[in-house]
Amino acid sequence: DAKTTQPPSMDCAEGRAANLPCNHSTISGNEYVYWYRQIHSQGPQYIIHGLKNNETNEMASLIITEDRKSSTLILPHATLRDTAVYYCIVTRDDKIIFGKGTRLHILP
Amino acid sequence: EAGVTQFPSHSVIEKGQTVTLRCDPISGHDNLYWYRRVMGKEIKFLLHFVKESKQDESGMPNNRFLAERTGGTYSTLKVQPAELEDSGVYFCASSRSLAGGDNEQFFGPGTRLTVL
Repeated sequence: DAKTTQPPSMDCAEGRAANLPCNHSTISGNEYVYWYRQIHSQGPQYIIHGLKNNETNEMASLIITEDRKSSTLILPHATLRDTAVYYCIVTRDDKIIFGKGTRLHILP
Repeated sequence: EAGVTQFPSHSVIEKGQTVTLRCDPISGHDNLYWYRRVMGKEIKFLLHFVKESKQDESGMPNNRFLAERTGGTYSTLKVQPAELEDSGVYFCASSRSLAGGDNEQFFGPGTRLTVL
């Protein structure tokens, strides 16, 4: 079973920041938080990952709480192309165990 | 840099037939993974190669599935004989290294398998 809990769906207005939460209260010290997304029926796409520090790249920012029991993926300026299922994954650099993810709808 | 490629993109076969799926990882990636999504379900891990060795095959559903990665380059996944419940989308992914947490996996577009 997936070790994370995510809301099943979220809406965000185009141009606004999309904040996707994830709970991973049982995360262990050597496990990373990864985010992937799947747009329609394409292959999953890597977004970002982190251990305990906040991370930012050209796609998104990842905010991890100090106790590491939850995190938030931030898409700073959501576009219609960001409509996808977003998966929060906890892993020790190993296989990915996908949960149901959050279906993000970007509203025009 | 070319991404992960998979062939064929679609395959329609009859129950009892054999199908072989192929995955070409990104050049230089030692790790190769197979996943699949059956209709209505979550994406499930099948197995993981490190170079030509099977590191973890705990997700392989049964002995009708055979994965190989000769020479540590491309990989094949053979289903023989195929059953109706094998229908789904099979994804392949590759990554460079497991060291230091930088193990982002790059996924191919998938092979959609339909067993009639």
